[in-house]
Amino acid sequence: DAKTTQPNSMESNEEEPVHLPCNHSTISGTDYIHWYRQRPSQGPEYVIHGLTSNVNNRMASLAIAEDRKSSTLILHRATLRDAAVYYCILRDASNQGGKLIFGQGTELSVKP
Amino acid sequence: GAVVSQHPSWVICKSGTSVKIECRSLDFQATTMFWYRQFPKQSLMLMATSNEGSKATYEQGVEKDKFLINHASLTLSTLTVTSAHPEDSSFYICSARDLMRLAISSTDTQYFGPGTRLTVL
Repeated sequence: DAKTTQPNSMESNEEEPVHLPCNHSTISGTDYIHWYRQRPSQGPEYVIHGLTSNVNNRMASLAIAEDRKSSTLILHRATLRDAAVYYCILRDASNQGGKLIFGQGTELSVKP
Repeated sequence: GAVVSQHPSWVICKSGTSVKIECRSLDFQATTMFWYRQFPKQSLMLMATSNEGSKATYEQGVEKDKFLINHASLTLSTLTVTSAHPEDSSFYICSARDLMRLAISSTDTQYFGPGTRLTVL
């Protein structure tokens, strides 16, 4: 699976939007872009995933660049509970084993 | 739906003892489960893939005789840390794959347990 690059940390104010970037310049055509987050002392939690088109769900939106070499996770209104490490992970559709390989992620802090 | 539990949530043991950690999928069947470990301020490191009814597949550098994995049913996988030493102290996290949901919706997500904090004295 191709590698991703994320900023180590970001800060946000409560109730403001947050844009978390992820670069994946070596992405292949069959790689899905997955986002998970991990709150302190908890297991990771699925956030969203996409292939080519932008995606929305109740937690977040995923904006994928036209060339797919980067993507942005958007939290529309940050809350204190959104403070977590956010991981951007590429998974090949042929990855039948289903493994997730975690990078370092972005630690998001949210200020009240 | 898609809840994964782990037991215990934390454990403290003496050096040289063995510790068993359970991972259960509560409301779905998980033919595949994964075990990760995480040291403080670091990312998750995949240790092994656990398949129901067959031997686990270990990642490079993970000692299979040290970390015994058993996946005897569709809802339970166990990780046993044998002859634990202080360097084994870590946060152990399991995850499970819901293949039924994958077949229906093509959504291949993993559901993670809350983690087990192991401290070896």
